Formats: sequence, structure tokens, C-alpha cells
Amino acid sequence: DTGVSQDPRHKITKRGQNVTFRCDPISEHNRLYWYRQTLGQGPEFLTYFQNEAQLEKSRLLSDRFSAERPKGSFSTLEIQRTEQGDSAMYLCASSSGPRVYYGYTFGSGTRLTVV
Amino acid sequence: GIQVEQSPPDLILQEGANSTLRCNFSDSVNNLQWFHQNPWGQLINLFYIPSGTKQNGRLSATTVATERYSLLYISSSQTTDSGVYFCAARTTGANSKLTFGKGITLSVRP
Repeated sequence: DTGVSQDPRHKITKRGQNVTFRCDPISEHNRLYWYRQTLGQGPEFLTYFQNEAQLEKSRLLSDRFSAERPKGSFSTLEIQRTEQGDSAMYLCASSSGPRVYYGYTFGSGTRLTVV
Repeated sequence: GIQVEQSPPDLILQEGANSTLRCNFSDSVNNLQWFHQNPWGQLINLFYIPSGTKQNGRLSATTVATERYSLLYISSSQTTDSGVYFCAARTTGANSKLTFGKGITLSVRP
């Protein structure tokens, strides 16, 4: 297993369109996280899954955002009716827990540009 | 929620110099990590260090949890060390959320 994979790497979409991103975590990691990063800022937490259960959602995650992790494997993040303010890098990370190393492994991210 | 502050915001070094990057956090933590973000945006985990000291090659980190700070030391810096260094922490009461600082931009000049 080579790490966390995200697809696509880049996405340009028109305002109002829906987009979906995919994240494949490290196979033995049961925890999966989505973060969003804008220029000049640190990553901001969006949501967290333990196996298939979505256990926490940030207030940043408006009703237009939805995330799933069916069967506790890959995860998808969908943004409906995109707005220009959604333009950002969307990062996925995975980790194992709770009694082992808690370090996060991040994917390369999906850069979203809404025009 | 927890506040994570990093200093200095920017750092310029000559190749071969040593540096210390600081991270202060506002609450007790059970998880603290240092990351390096390269110019292509990839975040690389450097250390998981909620307490104590660790070393990995030219990099080392120390977290003094009782005083709520962590330090990242870079010795004999190289141009490939350039990028943004993030500290991220999670409080003891939080289920999952790792909160990041704003980062320290390091430029190492040849």
C-alpha cells in the first residue's frame, strides 16, 4: 500500500455545478478525515469517519457538502451547487487508532477551482 | 476549541544553518504532530509527538506538554527543507479533530 490516494488532482467547475472527490485511505487505517485548505492557511477540519460511521462534522460543512464512506473503505466528498468560495485544496488523511500510532497520512489533495 | 499558534511566520536561512520553529497550544493535548508541506502541496508527517523528544536525521522535535509548547529543530538546513511547516494538535477531550496552526514558511537559500 503506497499511501492515501485522492482523485482527481485538479477540478475546474462552473459555479452551480456539483462535484465529487474520492479518497482511498491506507488499507489498514480505520480512521479517515477530510480537510480543506485555502491559500496561506493551515488545513481546516471538515469531517471524520471511523470505519463507515461519520462521527464528527465541522460547522464549515454546510448542507451543500456531504461525505460518505461505504463499507469503511474509500470515501467520497460531494459539493452541490458549488460557489466560488468553495475553491480550495481538499485534503484527505487516514490514521489508525486508538492504541497505536496516531500519525496522520495525507493524500496529495484535490484542488478545486470554481469559475 | 484549541488555539494553535506558530512562530515565526516566515523564516529565511542560508543553507547549512540551524533553526528552531515554535508551536504554542492553548489546551492539554493528546496528539501533536508536525508536518512539512512541499511546494506541490503534499503534507508529509514529520513527527507524532504529544510529549517528549524525538529525532529523525537532521530533524528533531520536543514537546513540553505541561507548558503547552512544541519545538521543531532543523539542523544543517538544505534547500529541500524549504516549504511550510505546520503544527497540529488535538485536545484530550476531542474525539478526532486535529487543529492546525497557520504554518511557518521556511526558505533555505543556497
